[in-house]
This record gives sequence, C-alpha cells and structure tokens, in this order.
Amino acid sequence: NAGVMQNPRHLVRRRGQEARLRCSPMKGHSHVYWYRQLPEEGLKFMVYLQKENIIDESGMPKERFSAEFPKEGPSILRIQQVVRGDSAAYFCASSPRHMDLTGGTGELFFGEGSRLTVL
Amino acid sequence: AQSVAQPEDQVNVAEGNPLTVKCTYSVSGNPYLFWYVQYPNRGLQFLLKYITGDNLVKGSYGFEAEFNKSQTSFHLKKPSALVSDSALYFCAVRDIEGGSYIPTFGRGTSLIVHP
Repeated sequence: NAGVMQNPRHLVRRRGQEARLRCSPMKGHSHVYWYRQLPEEGLKFMVYLQKENIIDESGMPKERFSAEFPKEGPSILRIQQVVRGDSAAYFCASSPRHMDLTGGTGELFFGEGSRLTVL
Repeated sequence: AQSVAQPEDQVNVAEGNPLTVKCTYSVSGNPYLFWYVQYPNRGLQFLLKYITGDNLVKGSYGFEAEFNKSQTSFHLKKPSALVSDSALYFCAVRDIEGGSYIPTFGRGTSLIVHP
C-alpha cells in the first residue's frame, strides 16, 4: 500500500515535553501539507513543504512549532514544550506536484492522522 | 482571499431518503471545489471535485455535487442515503486565479443516517 503513512497514530505527552509526528507521502509525491483538526474548528492549514523547502508556513504558530521535509526520509512536524491546547489530530496530506496555476488541479491524499494528547 | 462555509453542523436523514450537505464559497476568481469524507478516527478521503465543465459532478459511493456559480454553492447530494454514509463531510476550495495552492476546508458537517 503506497498511501500516506503517518506515525505514531496516537501520542501522549506531558506538558513541557516534545512531540514529533512523522509523515511519509504517497509514492511519487514530493509535496506535503500538514493540517490540524480540533473539535468545533474543522481542519486548519499549518504548513506546506516540498523536499528541503518550506513553501508556505502561514498557518504555523510562531513559537514551539516547526516542520521539515528532508531530502531523505519522512516529513517531521515538531512541537516543543507541548501545552494542553496542542491536543488535536494532526493530518498530513500529499500531492504529486506543486499546485500552482499550471500544476496539479487535483485533490490531496491524506494520512490517517496522529492524535496528540497532552496531559 | 478564499473561504468556504458549511452552514450545518449536523444533518440527519432517514435511510433511503435523499440527502444534501450544503457548502458555499467565496473566491476572487474561479474556484476549484472539493468534497472529502472522514470516517471516525480515519483520515479524509476524496469524494469528488469541480474544476471546470459540467456543473453536476459525480463522485465516489454514489455522491454528486452541483456547482452553482450565481449562488456560489457546491452542495453535496445523494439520491438515497445509506447508514454507512454516516460520517463527517468537508467541503474545500482553492482560488486558482487568486494564486492559492492551499485548499481551505470548511468546518465539516456531520451526516447521520438513521436506519
């Protein structure tokens, strides 16, 4: 199965610890999106990455959150010094190419999500 | 700027009856519109999209959606609901002429189909 793979599926952290969420895109996809889902708020965009490049991080909180997508290996969403408000489901999605005006017009392919609980 | 609204948090329908899940959008140019479905504790799955052409778009699992430019709507429909259609449904939009490559999602509508 060459779908979007996210791990861990569930992660429990205490306040102040670090959380690392990993995402491997679909085979052949080179662009990754991270979204956060909170109850009552729907799906909120966080960051859009290409390998070794952050294209758009306008949805990322300014502090404690970072993301990377190295040349080799999965994309990582890192949350430092977690607080209870970080508890959410974090979804990764991928696309085969940059979705600019001339590029892909299609849908995103989502992983199953990583559910972070901060105690 | 682009935005999408799903005015109903929840839609209830009896099995076998037609269903409609509403979505309206706002973009500066022509939109690309999408519907996704999310089952409990799962990721989002693509259902259908409107890019151009015929205003009635058919998708997976018997769902269809109608693009209405004058009403800026893209409502999801199915002629006969199944209990297994119960899930969370998300509408999404991209403002292509506005240069956006980040889809904006609505808050989601919970569809409950009663036996």
